[in-house]
Amino acid sequence: DAMVIQNPRYQVTQFGKPVTLSCSQTLNHNVMYWYQQKSSQAPKLLFHYYDKDFNNEADTPDNFQSRRPNTSFCFLDIRSPGLGDAAMYLCATSQRAGGTGELFFGEGSRLTVL
Amino acid sequence: GEDVEQSLFLSVREGDSSVINCTYTDSSSTYLYWYKQEPGAGLQLLTYIFSNMDMKQDQRLTVLLNKKDKHLSLRIADTQTGDSAIYFCAEMDTDKLIFGTGTRLQVFP
Repeated sequence: DAMVIQNPRYQVTQFGKPVTLSCSQTLNHNVMYWYQQKSSQAPKLLFHYYDKDFNNEADTPDNFQSRRPNTSFCFLDIRSPGLGDAAMYLCATSQRAGGTGELFFGEGSRLTVL
Repeated sequence: GEDVEQSLFLSVREGDSSVINCTYTDSSSTYLYWYKQEPGAGLQLLTYIFSNMDMKQDQRLTVLLNKKDKHLSLRIADTQTGDSAIYFCAEMDTDKLIFGTGTRLQVFP
């Protein structure tokens, strides 16, 4: 059974039209991450939540926002998508404090910007 | 910032061994990881190694860690066509996983 579920798997939007990607988890992990992965590149961390504490990476554009209304759900909002925002967006979870620090990834949401 | 480097491509014949190499920069990483990504999919953890170990074997996978040189390798024995994918090494930096550039493994019959 999938433990980190991302919706939608594929999203097509127009230049400048806002998009929201969602992620849900059944693992009850306290950390949730959003990564951006462009074609043939490594995943790049945008931000992460440790419980409700939001941690933004210094080079994440202001165009990207996130919400975590409860432990299970996390959203990625792209306010005004540009052509350069076309990518795979990966959600992941982990349990801080103890364990191996393994991240559990969803299958990703592929964003196309027209 | 941290930099995790890998060679971009590796091509091997089915049945041979594959060795994927990685160099990292953060010597304080407690764990180092290998993830596999198949086309259009998320990342799947293959294996990890604790930083005070120098080798870990898990079925067809062998991880070697040289802390002095900050070098990590993944050996896949008896490589199969289903092993064709992109392999990422990664180090943990205070809750953040920093990925290498990825190595695309192609297995041919």
